[in-house]
Amino acid sequence: IAGITQAPTSQILAAGRRMTLRCTQDMRHNAMYWYRQDLGLGLRLIHYSNTAGTTGKGEVPDGYSVSRANTDDFPLTLASAVPSQTSVYFCASSRDARTEQFFGPGTRLTVL
Amino acid sequence: AQSVTQLDSHVSVSEGTPVLLRCNYSSSYSPSLFWYVQHPNKGLQLLLKYTSAATLVKGINGFEAEFKKSETSFHLTKPSAHMSDAAEYFCVVSDQSVAGGYNKLIFGAGTRLAVHP
Repeated sequence: IAGITQAPTSQILAAGRRMTLRCTQDMRHNAMYWYRQDLGLGLRLIHYSNTAGTTGKGEVPDGYSVSRANTDDFPLTLASAVPSQTSVYFCASSRDARTEQFFGPGTRLTVL
Repeated sequence: AQSVTQLDSHVSVSEGTPVLLRCNYSSSYSPSLFWYVQHPNKGLQLLLKYTSAATLVKGINGFEAEFKKSETSFHLTKPSAHMSDAAEYFCVVSDQSVAGGYNKLIFGAGTRLAVHP
């Protein structure tokens, strides 16, 4: 049982490049989330999806987009990366919009 | 608005001694509360959760937490620390008031637990 997988584990990216962070869960959870974790700021929600086919904006959505074509996958795209998007990104999922969330191992992204 | 305050940014204990990580919350609703642990360069792992059932909640790895409504507290404890418990611990409240029905989690700033031999 893998739970939640994220890829890549880490990435160094030039500013202005497009990047997609991948997230897959095998728990058949309806809801999925993307967070970024920054020192001193804790975890902040970027985007969420309560069910396949729907998405919503979290606290810090600017510069990011998501899609939810199926239950298992929830990719996060940076259309044109900027240095302020250097962070550790965590994907999470929950059975529904009211239950506890389970987190993936994270992707460490550095934008130069 | 809901909020979470972790009262200690760093806690240091000796192996085999008790652990106490303190958390206070504010909430206009009957809250759902969680403790997560994050080991270095790892994701967050759910330790335990409170969702209005028993006020004393038992979690994994010997941790437990007690919900005290009168004190608005949800402190995490463990009778005997192990070296492997060294990590960052986050107290989290679920904000049930968010319009649109998404599960907004409000994270405390974290407590870094060090365990010495």
